[in-house]
Amino acid sequence: DIQMTQSPSSLSASVGDRVTITCRASQSISNYLNWYQQKPGKAPKLLIYAASSLQSGVPSRFSGSGSGTDYTLTISSLQPEDFATYYCQQSYSSLWTFGQGTNVEIK
Amino acid sequence: QVQLVESGGGVVQPGRSLRLSCAASGFTFSPYAMHWVRQAPGKGLEWAAVISDDGSKKYYADSVKGRFSISRDNSKSTLYLQMNSLRAEDTAVYYCARDQAINSGENAFDIWGQGTMVTVSS
Repeated sequence: DIQMTQSPSSLSASVGDRVTITCRASQSISNYLNWYQQKPGKAPKLLIYAASSLQSGVPSRFSGSGSGTDYTLTISSLQPEDFATYYCQQSYSSLWTFGQGTNVEIK
Repeated sequence: QVQLVESGGGVVQPGRSLRLSCAASGFTFSPYAMHWVRQAPGKGLEWAAVISDDGSKKYYADSVKGRFSISRDNSKSTLYLQMNSLRAEDTAVYYCARDQAINSGENAFDIWGQGTMVTVSS
């Protein structure tokens, strides 16, 4: 199975900060990489698919980049509603896997 | 509106079985692959199973393979997860999710249900 490792596991940031979350795959996944946001008690929400495509309705302050095994989610200017847990996910293999999550907390 | 609604969760003893359902509405169910994803209390997301649009292909995470079975009834726009030989570690919220890709390769989960809680305990 393809293992997905996110870093950091948690971070503290202030409103307006630029935030970057990294996801590393155990093998090349050829941009088959998605990002989700999850708030407590809610279902996850798709933010980015295919490494860099913004899902419809998602604010443009969210962006994704990367290739091969290394990918990044960037929030250009953190807003109060962005405090949540973020997960990466690979869709390269028929056995899908998620990263362990990154909790973005208020500083 | 487009939505998925799970049902069938509850408290079950170890070793017993449970069947979850996921009813789709607001969109044409049959062209989409569908997934089950679970989340243990306080833990991260774990993909569990996927079924192709016509039900011919099914894949499972190692943690549920041989015990869980995914199926669908396109005439009823409903997805199922049959869970047998349940263990304490299967305790989780179970979500169904739609795979947005139809012949595009841009696979991702664009629609999620609200989740149904399964507790395995004696």
